[in-house]
Amino acid sequence: AQSVAQPEDQVNVAEGNPLTVKCTYSVSGNPYLFWYVQYPNRGLQFLLKYITGDNLVKGSYGFEAEFNKSQTSFHLKKPSALVSDSALYFCAVRVTGGGNKLTFGTGTQLKVEL
Amino acid sequence: KAGVTQTPRYLIKTRGQQVTLSCSPISGHRSVSWYQQTPGQGLQFLFEYFSETQRNKGNFPGRFSGRQFSNSRSEMNVSTLELGDSALYLCASSPPLAGAGEQYFGPGTRLTVT
Repeated sequence: AQSVAQPEDQVNVAEGNPLTVKCTYSVSGNPYLFWYVQYPNRGLQFLLKYITGDNLVKGSYGFEAEFNKSQTSFHLKKPSALVSDSALYFCAVRVTGGGNKLTFGTGTQLKVEL
Repeated sequence: KAGVTQTPRYLIKTRGQQVTLSCSPISGHRSVSWYQQTPGQGLQFLFEYFSETQRNKGNFPGRFSGRQFSNSRSEMNVSTLELGDSALYLCASSPPLAGAGEQYFGPGTRLTVT
């Protein structure tokens, strides 16, 4: 069975500073990894995904994530945070042959302050 | 292209009643997945439908059921509602790609059971 861990319930960062939201995963087989963001009273918005290839994946709104197979991690990063980035971030994993079933982490609340 | 739409957006029901939620995927998408989001359990996979067939099922009781129509629209039904069924129900659709296409989420239906 696959699982995803987001060890931080909340991350606080000052606007303009770099941000990192952590994610580790556990799967049997090759993972497909995703990051989604959720704003209050909204559905989830896709940010980026790792399927294969380059370990550094670039996504929407200046976000990127680094896939590390040996550490089974897929941390979300942004060089310079904006107040508007404040939201709930979810890491998710899919496995090949598993259809479109996503297993999500518990979410990390990102708060960017002036 | 129009996004994933879900109706109704908000719903209040009484324990013991049943409810039907509707999801219209993005045009051309044939896979529809349903998720339940609660503060306690987070995001949990309910089931996935592809070409009118259930392809995946999560660990939910038989009170939760779904179906998909020939136009890819999907409905989920919850019978004999319990207080614990209060949640945000999210629908997601995926493009018909052989690889790991990302899922596109609707805004959700907020169900409150009293």
